Amino acid sequence: AQTVTQSQPEMSVQEAETVTLSCTYDTSESDYYLFWYKQPPSRQMILVIRQEAYKQQNATENRFSVNFQKAAKSFSLKISDSQLGDAAMYFCAYRSAVGNQFYFGTGTSLTVIP
Amino acid sequence: NAGVTQTPKFQVLKTGQSMTLQCAQDMNHEYMSWYRQDPGMGLRLIHYSVGAGITDQGEVPNGYNVSRSTTEDFPLRLLSAAPSQTSVYFCASSSTGYPVSGNTIYFGEGSWLTVV
Repeated sequence: AQTVTQSQPEMSVQEAETVTLSCTYDTSESDYYLFWYKQPPSRQMILVIRQEAYKQQNATENRFSVNFQKAAKSFSLKISDSQLGDAAMYFCAYRSAVGNQFYFGTGTSLTVIP
Repeated sequence: NAGVTQTPKFQVLKTGQSMTLQCAQDMNHEYMSWYRQDPGMGLRLIHYSVGAGITDQGEVPNGYNVSRSTTEDFPLRLLSAAPSQTSVYFCASSSTGYPVSGNTIYFGEGSWLTVV
């Protein structure tokens, strides 16, 4: 089974600053999808951003962008101009292009300091 | 736009009791799954299904049972509740097939279960 590792259990950032959350994964597959999910205190799971492994261009969604390094099996999330509403648990997830299971990391708890 | 609906949202059980967490989705997704979330453990897959009549075990299946009689519904049964099953449970669904371009996973709002 694929494994997803988030080595930062907790991170903090000053409001309006930039923070990067790390994620690495282990797979022998060449085609797959990677995701970042946000879980605020309400526990609702919200899709932040998605990256297809066959695309070299890094995905961007407004203030959120990724640094996808396929050879290094690394998928970090950069949050620019951090806002108080960004405070949440962030999960990195992997999905095979031909399989169905999603594999999640253990999460990074992000605190935004006013 | 109901998406994935889970019930109940909160439940307290006594050790040894059984119960069923209900999950329904209205997106015609083939893939449905149950996760449990515990502090420091992330989301762990309990059971999943890739279509009606097809189920399989995930990472932590012991003590849980599932069935998939329709595309829409995927209930999770706790056979004899134990305090170790105190957790937050999430049902999730997704479309399948290759290529799976863009088919992310959609979550229900979670079910808080306490076993005393």
